[in-house]
Amino acid sequence: GAVVSQHPSWVICKSGTSVKIECRSLDFQATTMFWYRQFPKQSLMLMATSNEGSKATYEQGVEKDKFLINHASLTLSTLTVTSAHPEDSSFYICSARPPRTQSFNEQFFGPGTRLTVL
Amino acid sequence: LAKTTQPISMDSYEGQEVNITCSHNNIATNDYITWYQQFPSQGPRFIIQGYKTKVTNEVASLFIPADRKSSTLSLPRVSLSDTAVYYCLVGDWKAAGNKLTFGGGTRVLVKP
Repeated sequence: GAVVSQHPSWVICKSGTSVKIECRSLDFQATTMFWYRQFPKQSLMLMATSNEGSKATYEQGVEKDKFLINHASLTLSTLTVTSAHPEDSSFYICSARPPRTQSFNEQFFGPGTRLTVL
Repeated sequence: LAKTTQPISMDSYEGQEVNITCSHNNIATNDYITWYQQFPSQGPRFIIQGYKTKVTNEVASLFIPADRKSSTLSLPRVSLSDTAVYYCLVGDWKAAGNKLTFGGGTRVLVKP
């Protein structure tokens, strides 16, 4: 199946710093990628939809100036958490959908990035 | 997007069959039903998808009644490694801008 990678797998940073997380589709091109956040023992919450070559679409309640998304190519989307604070500590997961018609509803998820803000 | 309702948790034993039912009363005509599995600190993994009747693959079966207002994921002969959270998602993601909205999921614990 299609593979999506994330880097880094975990990161610890000081409060006030910015952290960039990369999401790559390794064997397919993805015009659309998605970013989720997951707190312990909770479900995944969609943060934003990342569109290649255009601005990301953010879900209600997600601050676009705090969570900067860039989708510079068909295989790479980045999420930058700016001026991170302890409440931003979470598990961030990206996903991408390959351009296949047979299973057009299928999305492939990355392994996630654990962010801890001290 | 159709809202889904699943049991919060289920316990089972190795070798047993586990059936998880998901309710989606307001499913739309073009909606598909998809199940994902998630282990701790990992991204979700696609298990199975269906539109109606029964779908079977190498890991699970999906049963969908004629009215499509519910679906049941069946995991045959579970092992300890099947302990995970299972999510039921319903939607026509082309129409919804390709967004996947996760519900609460069902936490399955397989005991020895």
